[in-house]
Amino acid sequence: NAGVMQNPRHLVRRRGQEARLRCSPMKGHSHVYWYRQLPEEGLKFMVYLQKENIIDESGMPKERFSAEFPKEGPSILRIQQVVRGDSAAYFCASSPKGGGGGAWNTEAFFGQGTRLTVV
Amino acid sequence: GNSVTQMEGPVTLSEEAFLTINCTYTATGYPSLFWYVQYPGEGLQLLLKATKADDKGSNKGFEATYRKETTSFHLEKGSVQVSDSAVYFCALRDTGGSYIPTFGRGTSLIVHP
Repeated sequence: NAGVMQNPRHLVRRRGQEARLRCSPMKGHSHVYWYRQLPEEGLKFMVYLQKENIIDESGMPKERFSAEFPKEGPSILRIQQVVRGDSAAYFCASSPKGGGGGAWNTEAFFGQGTRLTVV
Repeated sequence: GNSVTQMEGPVTLSEEAFLTINCTYTATGYPSLFWYVQYPGEGLQLLLKATKADDKGSNKGFEATYRKETTSFHLEKGSVQVSDSAVYFCALRDTGGSYIPTFGRGTSLIVHP
């Protein structure tokens, strides 16, 4: 059973370009969470998605950032017109259960992250 | 809302020393508590968990006990190794709300030979 797969592992973009980060959850998992990790700041929640639905995007910046989890294919975190401050490690986690499904006692499984560098 | 507070690092120890990393939490419901470990350049891996008060999670010599009265879940290990050097994250998932995993800021552990 493959784990959570993220790609690319490393991504370099020039200021103003778009960054697309992909996450394939573990088999059988339909709940995906995106986090951003900055040095000395720990993990910051960004967005929670189920298939074809955004459940909670309270941690997403209002502009330039968007996320989707289509019926088929991986979840995508898109950052438009990147700036140097977007440089960070972005992690995806998946879970078999979510709100209302008894998720509270199950762990989330993490991918190895995408390290975005904006030059 | 929910939150997790961890002691600041880095924690620097000699090999075979005793380790404690403090973690306290705030939750609106009845959370499950987790410790994750992150090695350099890698993602987070679950180290141990506890799902109710007084439960003890353990793995690879690490232990943590769910203390509801003090809202704490401190991580301990009796004798650390150089290979334990990593960043450790305390986390919770609550029974209320959207069950989004909430993490502390992480504590870096450095173990010297």
